Amino acid sequence: DAKTTQPTSMDCAEGRAANLPCNHSTISGNEYVYWYRQIHSQGPQYIIHGLKNNETNEMASLIITEDRKSSTLILPHATLRDTAVYYCIVPRFNDYKLSFGAGTTVTVRA
Amino acid sequence: DTAVSQTPKYLVTQMGNDKSIKCEQNLGHDTMYWYKQDSKKFLKIMFSYNNKELIINETVPNRFSPKSPDKAHLNLHINSLELGDSAVYFCASRKGATNEKLFFGSGTQLSVL
Repeated sequence: DAKTTQPTSMDCAEGRAANLPCNHSTISGNEYVYWYRQIHSQGPQYIIHGLKNNETNEMASLIITEDRKSSTLILPHATLRDTAVYYCIVPRFNDYKLSFGAGTTVTVRA
Repeated sequence: DTAVSQTPKYLVTQMGNDKSIKCEQNLGHDTMYWYKQDSKKFLKIMFSYNNKELIINETVPNRFSPKSPDKAHLNLHINSLELGDSAVYFCASRKGATNEKLFFGSGTQLSVL
């Protein structure tokens, strides 16, 4: 997988937007950026993925820079239930392997 | 219906025993995985099967043996359990290799005493 760099942790106030950055400067042209999260004691959960266009779904928005070397996951209105470890992953194209790094521990505070 | 289901959810056993964890997915996916999450919370890929064929076999002690009787099932058998095997084991599946999201089970917490 292309190397990704994320902050170790961040706090967010409930009801505010949470912006989670990820650097992936070695990404190749055909590699996607994926985001997953793991709420305590649960299995990881897919959030969103994208190639170069910005993406939005019911959970979050993904903003990818034009050079594709970094991206930001946006949780528009964070709730306490969004407290989790968030993983940014760039798997190699056509590779079955999906590796998880340390991720960003996001704590949403009331 | 749960998409990826693992049994048992908790497994407590003595050192030296042999145990199995079962995983089933009802999503019609071709590819299944086993991940291990240790006390430091890192998720490490162990094995992957695609259409019943082993395609990923990371550096895992050969006491661990995956078995895929069919596309919907991937079981993990562990021989001669050791204290260091204590961890949470997650099963996952996806439709193919690229650009497909991974669905995880809820995990099996294995405690070796």
